[in-house]
Amino acid sequence: QVQLVESGGGVVQPGRSLRLSCAASGFSFSGYAMNWVRQAPGKGLEWVAFISHDESNKQYAESAKGRFTISRDNSKYTLFLEMSSLRNEDTAVYYCARDGWVEATRTIFDSWGQGTLVTVSS
Amino acid sequence: DIQMTQSPSSLSTSVGDRVTITCRASQSISSYLNWYQQRPGKAPELLISATSSLQSGVPSRFSGSGSGTDFTLTISSLQPEDFATYYCQQSYSMPYSFGQGTKLDIK
Repeated sequence: QVQLVESGGGVVQPGRSLRLSCAASGFSFSGYAMNWVRQAPGKGLEWVAFISHDESNKQYAESAKGRFTISRDNSKYTLFLEMSSLRNEDTAVYYCARDGWVEATRTIFDSWGQGTLVTVSS
Repeated sequence: DIQMTQSPSSLSTSVGDRVTITCRASQSISSYLNWYQQRPGKAPELLISATSSLQSGVPSRFSGSGSGTDFTLTISSLQPEDFATYYCQQSYSMPYSFGQGTKLDIK
């Protein structure tokens, strides 16, 4: 079955960097686009970034542009999110989500990891 | 960017109740509307895609309808495991956006 396991979260000071990973298994990773979605404590869901199956297309939410970089290693079945210049408002649980795109639905987040908590605080 | 607005934000309900949650888009999104369920402390799960297509394993008491800008999620008879927060999400265009969520709790 599809499994996504995030790691790399923790407490980090404002202005510092952090790299999140998402290990995928149970499906052909290189055949799927992937996304990062975050959820601030007690708040709703916010899409953060998208990467196509072959890394040819990357898209970011305005809040992430210029500070976050999404990447992947298909040989290692792993998705990454490199976050820099972190702000207090980046505090959230970060989920990786598989993109189950088909023409009828376009992007749907059809499988999610359990999330990793990033806390930005001095 | 497309804004998604759900109503109500919260709802006190009882087992067996019929519940309808509304999601409105700031512009037409055709049928590119998806619904997710999130139980406390858990990751969201996809319930319905493309307005009305139930994902495998989702009980038939869940249904979705709508088109253009107005959509609904209906639960015909609430079960104890349905007390959760529900989010709509538009997949019409990037940046993908979610509604603010509707929390169902026990009356």
